[in-house]
Formats: sequence, structure tokens, C-alpha cells
Amino acid sequence: DGGITQSPKYLFRKEGQNVTLSCEQNLNHDAMYWYRQDPGQGLRLIYYSQIVNDFQKGDIAEGYSVSREKKESFPLTVTSAQKNPTAFYLCASRNTGGNNSPLHFGNGTRLTVT
Amino acid sequence: GNSVTQMEGPVTLSEEAFLTINCTYTATGYPSLFWYVQYPGEGLQLLLKATKADDKGSNKGFEATYRKETTSFHLEKGSVQVSDSAVYFCALLNTGTASKLTFGTGTRLQVTL
Repeated sequence: DGGITQSPKYLFRKEGQNVTLSCEQNLNHDAMYWYRQDPGQGLRLIYYSQIVNDFQKGDIAEGYSVSREKKESFPLTVTSAQKNPTAFYLCASRNTGGNNSPLHFGNGTRLTVT
Repeated sequence: GNSVTQMEGPVTLSEEAFLTINCTYTATGYPSLFWYVQYPGEGLQLLLKATKADDKGSNKGFEATYRKETTSFHLEKGSVQVSDSAVYFCALLNTGTASKLTFGTGTRLQVTL
């Protein structure tokens, strides 16, 4: 089955440590996205990539980094510079061949930093 | 810029009640509009979409009509079930925005027996 896989589902880290969240898709989509979800705030865009080896900052990129070395993979690193990293992180992808094609989401990673 | 405004939740209904979740948007041009649903602990799933004015998207008994004159895309269902309890997000995609969707803040629906 085609889809987006995020791992792990739950992640716990100590403050001051960097942590990398995995996102893999086998939908052959060109574009991939990372969103952060906090209670009552909806989804906020962290980074996105429309093509391999290229990515752009979203609305809340500070304290995060990404790479896009392969079409299938778009890992997100939450660095120690991120002031409030505890959140639910969602990865998504999209086929940019159609103007109206929707985003497809993974099941998310819940990160808790203490 | 683009923005989406949804009615605040939570919305609490009895099973078989009629559901409306309001969504209005601000955008230039002719955006595509979407409703996503999120069940507890999961990612978002596309519920329905509409790509031009007066289009009606529908799926699983849910409907929404793209109203350009009122810049709205309200979600409706004639008879909700307990299994519809989830968070619903309205979103828009505008051409020229580098494939970025703009989401509303979500509306939590709770359906009770």
C-alpha cells in the first residue's frame, strides 16, 4: 500500500539534545512538508520541499532543520535551539503534477522533551 | 495573504443530529478548498474537496459547497454518528503559493449517544 510512514510514533528526549524525526513516502510525490500541531493552534508549517535537494522555510522554521537527499525521505531535526519542542509533528506529501491535488499525511510523531 | 477561519469548538451533538461546521476564507484568485478529519492520535485524512465556485464536495455523508460570493465552505452532515467524533480542519490551496496549504485551527466534534 502506498503511503507516508512516520517513525517513531512516540519520542522522548532530554532538553538540550537534538532529535531527528523520520518521514518516508512511497507515493512518488515531489513535494513534502513538515507541520507542527499544538492544542488549539491548528497546523503550522515548519519546512517544505518541492524537489530533491531543495527546501524552504515555512512559518516557524527557527530551531528546526531538514534535508531532502532522496525523493522518498524528508527527515526533520529538532535542535536544542527550539524553545518549545514538545508537540505533535506531522509529515505530508503532495503530487505537484495537479494544481488541486491534496496533501497526504502520515500518522504523526508525538515528541516530548523534558 | 491567505487565511481560513473556522468556528470554535468543541461542538457537542447527540447521535443523528444535524451538523454544520462553519468555514470562511480569505484569498486572492480561485483557491481550492478542502476538509480534513483527524481522529485521536492520528494524522489528517482528506474528507472532501472542491476546486471551483459552486462545486460540492461530498464523502461519507458529509458535504460542503464552495460559495465564492460568501467566501465560505461550510461542512454539513445530516445525521452524525458517534464514530464521527474527531477534529475537522478546513484548508485552502491557492495557486502561486508554492503548494502550501493554509489550515484553519480545527473544530472538535463530539457525538454522544
